[in-house]
Amino acid sequence: AQKVTQAQTEISVVEKEDVTLDCVYETRDTTYYLFWYKQPPSGELVFLIRRNSFDEQNEISGRYSWNFQKSTSSFNFTITASQVVDSAVYFCALSEAWETSGSRLTFGEGTQLTVNP
Amino acid sequence: ETGVTQTPRHLVMGMTNKKSLKCEQHLGHNAMYWYKQSAKKPLELMFVYSLEERVENNSVPSRFSPECPNSSHLFLHLHTLQPEDSALYLCASSRGWATGGDTDTQYFGPGTRLTVL
Repeated sequence: AQKVTQAQTEISVVEKEDVTLDCVYETRDTTYYLFWYKQPPSGELVFLIRRNSFDEQNEISGRYSWNFQKSTSSFNFTITASQVVDSAVYFCALSEAWETSGSRLTFGEGTQLTVNP
Repeated sequence: ETGVTQTPRHLVMGMTNKKSLKCEQHLGHNAMYWYKQSAKKPLELMFVYSLEERVENNSVPSRFSPECPNSSHLFLHLHTLQPEDSALYLCASSRGWATGGDTDTQYFGPGTRLTVL
């Protein structure tokens, strides 16, 4: 069975600080996909990134960066120079490879990030 | 309009009422999903539709009845709900198939905040 653990329930930082959100996953599949979603107070889950299990390259997108390490089954997310608008709940999710009828996501419990001015 | 939309955004209903939640996607996707998000719990997948056919029902009580008349619309019909059914109900859509070993990404609507009195 798949499992995603986000051990940090809540994180509070001051604006301009860097912050890392941890995600640890469990799966017996050799092919799988990892995702990060952002859920602002409005409720909508916003897709941030998808990474497949064969690609361990780290990725940077503006102030966001992701560190995927298969050896430790982790897919951590770092926000550099955080801003108040980054305040949201962040979800890590895992999906097996799925060839028909859509994907099946297993979500972590989310990390509530609060960035204070 | 683009993306995934949901109406209504907020709903308050009594235990004996019948109401429906509506989801519409403008992304040309073939798979649609209903999720339930309760406080302090991970997102729970309720139903999956692929090409208008229900392909998954995760042991959801019969008081929740989904309907997918076409690939762009998904409904969740509610009747005789319980107070514990109060939650944020999220709809998502995805391309619905994987190609070349890739998986597909789910895109979410803003959700309907349901309160059952």
